[in-house]
Order: sequence, then structure tokens, then C-alpha cells
Amino acid sequence: AQRVTQPEKLLSVFKGAPVELKCNYSYSGSPELFWYVQYSRQRLQLLLRHISRESIKGFTADLNKGETSFHLKKPFAQEEDSAMYYCALMSGRSGNTPLVFGKGTRLSVIA
Amino acid sequence: DTGVSQNPRHKITKRGQNVTFRCDPISEHNRLYWYRQTLGQGPEFLTYFQNEAQLEKSRLLSDRFSAERPKGSFSTLEIQRTEQGDSAMYLCASSLSGTGSYEQYFGPGTRLTVT
Repeated sequence: AQRVTQPEKLLSVFKGAPVELKCNYSYSGSPELFWYVQYSRQRLQLLLRHISRESIKGFTADLNKGETSFHLKKPFAQEEDSAMYYCALMSGRSGNTPLVFGKGTRLSVIA
Repeated sequence: DTGVSQNPRHKITKRGQNVTFRCDPISEHNRLYWYRQTLGQGPEFLTYFQNEAQLEKSRLLSDRFSAERPKGSFSTLEIQRTEQGDSAMYLCASSLSGTGSYEQYFGPGTRLTVT
């Protein structure tokens, strides 16, 4: 069964500290993985996709197939990073198929 | 076009009543998805469309739920005989297949409260 696990409901860090949001997945195949973010009073939006290998707003995420993980990292947290972060797995093999989301991690960056 | 829109934004209804939600996707997007999100959970897939064709329905979608996308543009999600367990945020998203983008664009959601 396809499953995404985000073990932390809440993560609090001080401004300037490194951040790592954990995500583990279960999928029998080559996964398409994403991080979505929801800032306060805004809609859910894509932060980054593993295949693009981009750094967005200073965040990166590396797919580790051996550990079935896709952790989100940022070296220096900013207050504006405070938000709800969801890791998601694309369920089908042909693209543009429904997403399976984790329960989310709330990141709180303390000044 | 300012993105995916959903109406109404909030709906309060009494148990047993029927409700209908509308989603207007980004105009050129051919795929449209419905998700449900309850407190403390991530969004859970309900159903999705390619143009007017409904491609898949989740086991979460009981017989009381029906979704349509009659002209391949806007979509409606109807819940008949609502129950308190239907209280949730209903999210709509759209995407354009065939571009390799895979990004889903979400609407603001419709919050349903069943009393």
C-alpha cells in the first residue's frame, strides 16, 4: 500500500538554526515525491518536487530510495518559513495522478 | 484567471440535508481532483477527472457522494444525507497533463460543518 509518514506533528526551531522535516514513504516502484506547504490563511502550494532537484526558498530535499525517505532541509531557518508542510507521493505511474499525503508537520520558527 | 476557485467557502448544514460544492479549475487544466481534509490529517483523495471523464474514485467516496464535471470545466461534489462524520475541508485541485509538470494547484477549500 502507498503510504507517507511524517513522524513529527510539530517542529520548533530558532531563527538561523538548521531545519529537517522528515518524510518516509512506502511505494512499490519509482516514486514521484513532493513537498507542499501551507502558510497561514493561504492555500496549499507546491514547494518542490524531487525530480527537479531545485532549491526553493533555500529548501532542498533528496530522495533516498534505500531508506525510502525524502526529508526536507534548510540550513538556516527564517521566521517566514513557519507553516504547515506536507510530504506527498504521486499514486500512479503515468503522472498527474492523485497524491497521497502525509499528516503534515507544523514548523514554527522562533525569533 | 486567478487560480482554482471553490464555492461556497463555508457551509453549515443539518444532518440529513444534501449539500453541493463547486470547483472552478484553472481554465486550461484538463485534470481536476477532489480531496477531503479533516483536523490533524493531510488531504485524502476522493476522486478525479480527465476532462469530463471520472477516472478514479477512492473507497472513501461512499454512495452518498457524487461528483461530476459535465463539460470538462467546472466540477460539482454533492453529498446526500449528510452525516456528522462528513464535516471536513473539501479541497479541489487541478493540473495539466502531458507537460511533465505534475504540479497540482489547489483551491482555498470549502469547509463543511454538519450539525
